[in-house]
Amino acid sequence: EVQLVESGGDLVQPGGSLRLSCAASGFTFSSYWMSWVRQAPGKGLEWVANIKQDGSERYYVDSVKGRFTISRDNAKNFLYLQMNSLRAEDTAMYYCASRWVASTATDFWGQGTLVTVSS
Amino acid sequence: DIQMTQSPSSLSASVGDRVTITCRASQGIRNDLGWYQQKPGKAPKRLIYATSSLQSGVPSRFSGSGSGTEFTLTISSLQPEDFATYYCLQYNTYPYTFGQGTKLEIK
Repeated sequence: EVQLVESGGDLVQPGGSLRLSCAASGFTFSSYWMSWVRQAPGKGLEWVANIKQDGSERYYVDSVKGRFTISRDNAKNFLYLQMNSLRAEDTAMYYCASRWVASTATDFWGQGTLVTVSS
Repeated sequence: DIQMTQSPSSLSASVGDRVTITCRASQGIRNDLGWYQQKPGKAPKRLIYATSSLQSGVPSRFSGSGSGTEFTLTISSLQPEDFATYYCLQYNTYPYTFGQGTKLEIK
């Protein structure tokens, strides 16, 4: 069974840091691009970041560039999002996802982990 | 960035109705467009990729069309489980951008 399980979401003060993790199982993690997508409470979806299979290419939405870093550990089947200098507008449910864009195969999503940035 | 303008933002319809949702891109995106369904408290689910290719397992009442800058998602005969929020996504150019969403409600 395919699973993507996010963790690491928490309440953090503005300016703080957090690292999200996404544990992948049931598919060949190292074969696919991976993504983070977020959704602020009551709002729409926003793509956050992509990372290539070997980590050699990474892309970010402008609002997180220089503050967030996407990474992966193919040996452990984990995806990460290091979030620094957090702002109130980063408050959202964060989903990890695979095969969700151009792939002809079934998309995979986690259940999400909630990040709240507030003093 | 490419802006995706989705309409309508909300839609009230009945079971059995045919509904169409539109997304307009601020510049040409070829056919690099997907459609996603999201139910409350759940992760999104992909319905359509490459404008008109149906995700495996998605009912055939869902279809997509368009090219360039104008795209549509059509549900040919609404079923109770289709009441949800729908989003388009362009993945032609980074940053990927979603439409604002269309909330489909029961009339």
